[in-house]
Amino acid sequence: GPKVLQIPSHQIIDMGQMVTLNCDPVSNHLYFYWYKQILGQQMEFLVNFYNGKVMEKSKLFKDQFSVERPDGSYFTLKIQPTALEDSAVYFCASSPRQANTGQLYFGEGSKLTVL
Amino acid sequence: GDSVTQTEGPVTVSESESLIINCTYSATSIAYPNLFWYVRYPGEGLQLLLKVITAGQKGSSRGFEATYNKETTSFHLQKASVQESDSAVYYCALGSGGSNAKLTFGKGTKLSVKS
Repeated sequence: GPKVLQIPSHQIIDMGQMVTLNCDPVSNHLYFYWYKQILGQQMEFLVNFYNGKVMEKSKLFKDQFSVERPDGSYFTLKIQPTALEDSAVYFCASSPRQANTGQLYFGEGSKLTVL
Repeated sequence: GDSVTQTEGPVTVSESESLIINCTYSATSIAYPNLFWYVRYPGEGLQLLLKVITAGQKGSSRGFEATYNKETTSFHLQKASVQESDSAVYYCALGSGGSNAKLTFGKGTKLSVKS
């Protein structure tokens, strides 16, 4: 079936550094999402993005977070600067339309470890 | 806020046995949320297993069933006879806030099916 690819699968960085997580969504999908899952907890919504703009974001989407999809390439999540509490697995998802049917397609996740 | 509680794993069953994974929800942002079961097979991204958007209805897919019960606020996942290939992590989720982009997930239940 359709696949969402995430790069890197795992990244270790020092606190205060910048990190960019990349997502290659399903082609022809229009809506993009990031979710965050801290070890042992549930996956939580961060942000969704459409037509070059953030549509909705949660309180977890701190000021240090930003998303973009320049020129229809990767959909990225940037954290600058990183903090210890940013350590988590970040899941990217895409959907062909507003997810009224819940048909989101997820990647396998990017595990971020902040030291 | 919204929340989802599901059977804590791991759950181990033998092949051809029946299975039930409990899921209860609390939706404060919307009276009748849409309900979903997602599944993550080993080495793959999260994918939609089934969904029900109308209270009282039943959804089914790949031999799994779940009924949207608004009286008990439950959406239990059941299968009459599991197979080894059903081994995966199962997530109950609800869509609310007028946009199912902001899915609220349970913590996931890891299922292992023994041959």
